[in-house]
Order: sequence, then C-alpha cells, then structure tokens
Amino acid sequence: DAMVIQNPRYQVTQFGKPVTLSCSQTLNHNVMYWYQQKSSQAPKLLFHYYDKDFNNEADTPDNFQSRRPNTSFCFLDIRSPGLGDAAMYLCATSRETDYEQYFGPGTRLTVT
Amino acid sequence: GDSVTQMEGPVTLSEEAFLTINCTYTATGYPSLFWYVQYPGEGLQLLLKATKADDKGSNKGFEATYRKETTSFHLEKGSVQVSDSAVYFCALSVGSNTGKLIFGQGTTLQVKP
Repeated sequence: DAMVIQNPRYQVTQFGKPVTLSCSQTLNHNVMYWYQQKSSQAPKLLFHYYDKDFNNEADTPDNFQSRRPNTSFCFLDIRSPGLGDAAMYLCATSRETDYEQYFGPGTRLTVT
Repeated sequence: GDSVTQMEGPVTLSEEAFLTINCTYTATGYPSLFWYVQYPGEGLQLLLKATKADDKGSNKGFEATYRKETTSFHLEKGSVQVSDSAVYFCALSVGSNTGKLIFGQGTTLQVKP
C-alpha cells in the first residue's frame, strides 16, 4: 500500500540537461516537501507546499523549481543540473505543518 | 539557530547488545523531537517521536525520552538485531508554521550476528 510514491527511483541526466522528478501521494495530505540528501549527509529541506502555497528555503538555489498541480502530485524541476546536484531527492507529506511527515523511497539522481 | 547533534558513527554492536545513540538539540521555543530510520536504498521512516518535555516515544523496542533540562533525546534499545542495521537520524520540528525538520547528521548502526 504505497502512500508516497516517487518516480523514477533512479534518474540519470547529463550536465545542464533539465530533469523533472515526480512525487505522488495517496494520503490526501495538505503539505508536501522536497528534501535533498547527499551521500552520508542529513536530508536538507529545499521547499514545501502548504496546499498551493509555495514556501522556498532561503538557501535553495534558483536552479531548483517545483510545481504542485493538485493535492496528489508534486514535481521537482532542476533547470540546469550540475555535478553537485547529484543526490537522493526525498519527497514527504504531512497533514499539517506540525504533523508527522511520511517519506517516499526517494529518487537517486546521477549527473554525468 | 536551531540544530541537532548526534554521536558520530558507525556504531558496531553484536546481536542482543544494548544500544544508545546520543542526540542533543538547540532550539528556541518548544520543538517536537523525532527519530527516523533509513534502511539502505530507502527513504526515511518515522521510528518514534515526542512532542513535549518528559514524553517518552517508543516503537519496535526502541525508546527515547524528551529531556528538556539536558536538551537531549537519546535513542535506546535493550537488545538489537541484525535487522536494525540502518542509519538513524534525530530531528526536531521548528514550529507549526513551517513544518521544517532539522536533522542531525545521522548515525550508522551495524549489528553483527
């Protein structure tokens, strides 16, 4: 019973070639989050949506964008991936911002 | 600013040994505290949580108590299994308006048969 689904699980893109990662949820949660996790590091929040309200972290590079067309789906767009953007990207959801976050399995992005 | 500090790993134990992973935090206000576990190649799973001082979170034999006086939330388990091998993250939630989780750096646990 997958609740937070991320596709694809593994993504390879070329340096500078735009890439989109997707996340969907069956929990009907209001809030969706995108985290970046580099090897052997803690996840770092990039941004989150509270319903359709977009909230960007101050240190998230402009290269990273996001879309949430409806409650169930959220996309992470990387406009011009650099080698430093290679990481695991984790999507999470919660009912409200102070509730438990449910994580997807992540998409591992490789930049060649 | 708000932060979480965990003991460095890897922690290597034999099966049935006692586990402690230390976690301390710095925060303004009254954060909620969490332990997440990440198995190889997977996302994070919530292991346990505590939302106020002196609360004890517990799940699957793991426990942690929210200690405001020492700003700590140490994870313990009386008898670890090989299947507990994973990376454990301590985290705090900074407030209801952001939902932002601040994670510690993670502690790798290796349990040997």
